[in-house]
Amino acid sequence: AQSVAQPEDQVNVAEGNPLTVKCTYSVSGNPYLFWYVQYPNRGLQFLLKYITGDNLVKGSYGFEAEFNKSQTSFHLKKPSALVSDSALYFCGSQRGDTGRRALTFGSGTRLQVQP
Amino acid sequence: GAGVSQSPSNKVTEKGKDVELRCDPISGHTALYWYRQSLGQGLEFLIYFQGNSAPDKSGLPSDRFSAERTGGSVSTLTIQRTQQEDSAVYLCASSTNKPGLASDTQYFGPGTRLTVL
Repeated sequence: AQSVAQPEDQVNVAEGNPLTVKCTYSVSGNPYLFWYVQYPNRGLQFLLKYITGDNLVKGSYGFEAEFNKSQTSFHLKKPSALVSDSALYFCGSQRGDTGRRALTFGSGTRLQVQP
Repeated sequence: GAGVSQSPSNKVTEKGKDVELRCDPISGHTALYWYRQSLGQGLEFLIYFQGNSAPDKSGLPSDRFSAERTGGSVSTLTIQRTQQEDSAVYLCASSTNKPGLASDTQYFGPGTRLTVL
């Protein structure tokens, strides 16, 4: 069974400061991990994914995420937050085989960047 | 190119009525997924189509929910005898899911907001 946890319902950060949105996972075998962002009244937009290789993954809009196997975490980061980054962020996992491709999502974290 | 499209964008219906939600995936994508986003349950998987294989229906919450995919492209999610707890945003996603590809990045449509009165 897979599960993904996003322990913070909301993260507040000032514009220009670094931001972190936390995600931990429980996946049997090798996990494939994803981050998506959702703006109001929009679908989910893909940001980045970890499959294998480098633990630091770079994605769209200056976001990056760090895969940490020992801590079973995949936190989303950005060095300098923008007001336009304010949105709902979802972490997701996918089984690392060709069986079930459906994504299991965390509960979402609302990021609020204050000007 | 065009992304995943869904229609209608909003649907208001009365309890007990049937509704049909449509998804048009990205051209060439063989895999199609339906998810539901609701306040109480978060984002949950409903059903998955891959090519001509039998769909994975393991996420459908009850037998009132069904989906089909015609010609390997457009999909319709049908909810019969709608209940108030069916109120949610229904999201469709598609992906290439090529054989041998290690992972499968899914691209989402804008969703259909269903309100059951």
